[in-house]
Amino acid sequence: GQQVMQIPQYQHVQEGEDFTTYCNSSTTLSNIQWYKQRPGGHPVFLIQLVKSGEVKKQKRLTFQFGEAKKNSSLHITATQTTDVGTYFCAGPRGANNLFFGTGTRLTVIP
Amino acid sequence: DTGVSQNPRHKITKRGQNVTFRCDPISEHNRLYWYRQTLGQGPEFLTYFQNEAQLEKSRLLSDRFSAERPKGSFSTLEIQRTEQGDSAMYLCASSRRENYEQYFGPGTRLTVT
Repeated sequence: GQQVMQIPQYQHVQEGEDFTTYCNSSTTLSNIQWYKQRPGGHPVFLIQLVKSGEVKKQKRLTFQFGEAKKNSSLHITATQTTDVGTYFCAGPRGANNLFFGTGTRLTVIP
Repeated sequence: DTGVSQNPRHKITKRGQNVTFRCDPISEHNRLYWYRQTLGQGPEFLTYFQNEAQLEKSRLLSDRFSAERPKGSFSTLEIQRTEQGDSAMYLCASSRRENYEQYFGPGTRLTVT
């Protein structure tokens, strides 16, 4: 069945260091979404990527969609304590729901 | 845009009891989703409504689970004869159209003792 794996599972960084999480799908995706979930919170939509090779930026966050549309990455430059949380990628499964990755939990040490 | 709301936020129940959760989506969103999330995992899809029609159910949704969205607005998720394995966060989300971003509610945390 469809699988979406993320690595690493956990990442601890010093504040100011960069952070990258990678998302790999076993199948080609029509699009990919990224969500952030703060500790004790709920997933919050960050971005959607649709085109092969697409790169989008949101301030210190850079999102990429692979050429084969089977992988994606999220890179955060100069992490801040507000970046703490779990980052999930999610791909569509059929037309009606999302299949979430395993998530990467980011801890930022001040 | 008042966001997605869910009630109750926490529910503690004894094994064998029935529980019902409510979700109020963003008003103009006709698509509504239920997910279950356990500690350290991503949300797992349970079921999906477009307006009042329940169009898809996951195999995770056993016969003890039922969901409704009677007027295409709010939705309820009922779990009958709860089991300890049902303990999880139940998340509701809504969206404007397919393959569009989903807006999640704060969730209902269920603990079955």
